[in-house]
Amino acid sequence: GAGVSQSPSNKVTEKGKDVELRCDPISGHTALYWYRQSLGQGLEFLIYFQGNSAPDKSGLPSDRFSAERTGGSVSTLTIQRTQQEDSAVYLCASSARSGGGRANEKLFFGSGTQLSVL
Amino acid sequence: AQSVSQHNHHVILSEAASLELGCNYSYGGTVNLFWYVQYPGQHLQLLLKYFSGDPLVKGIKGFEAEFIKSKFSFNLRKPSVQWSDTAEYFCAVNSAGNTGKLIFGQGTTLQVKP
Repeated sequence: GAGVSQSPSNKVTEKGKDVELRCDPISGHTALYWYRQSLGQGLEFLIYFQGNSAPDKSGLPSDRFSAERTGGSVSTLTIQRTQQEDSAVYLCASSARSGGGRANEKLFFGSGTQLSVL
Repeated sequence: AQSVSQHNHHVILSEAASLELGCNYSYGGTVNLFWYVQYPGQHLQLLLKYFSGDPLVKGIKGFEAEFIKSKFSFNLRKPSVQWSDTAEYFCAVNSAGNTGKLIFGQGTTLQVKP
């Protein structure tokens, strides 16, 4: 597609349930990022993929959070046993950065998934 | 650890006023610096970036930012704002050699009154 696509755009779930958030990056973009934006907060880095591997997952808040990427394209962020503090907008971004390239490439963001945990 | 601080959380200006949004970062090494903007109902998009060369960087829509290494600052400026500049602005930094992880500030909401 023309841009980064995220689904669903909104997700309401009950505390304790698992959720999956999906990101379709721009075709050909090798780098993919997940960020979280809580109310009144900046963007919090969660994880970075280069291809299918995740060289930096230092931002995942707990072992309830995991992410994978397959075929160098689609990525899924999974949150198990959701808690109310997980409520936030989850943003995905992609860039054309190669593995040996400089870390200055422009990120293209999706519109995010608004997650509400009741 | 790297961090980014944006001093103003909410700025209200009248059209034609000048704008300066503060951004300071903490990191001792070589950095790349960015300003991203999110217009109402739209995606985050890159406004401008600095990674080397002239410390005064010009971006889209008349925005510019100046990298002052001694002050660890990368303030965003525009001489005359328009109503259409109403948006949320985020400063971000990454280290030149890292995996691409951008550290963002808390964001500044700019409201321009017509």
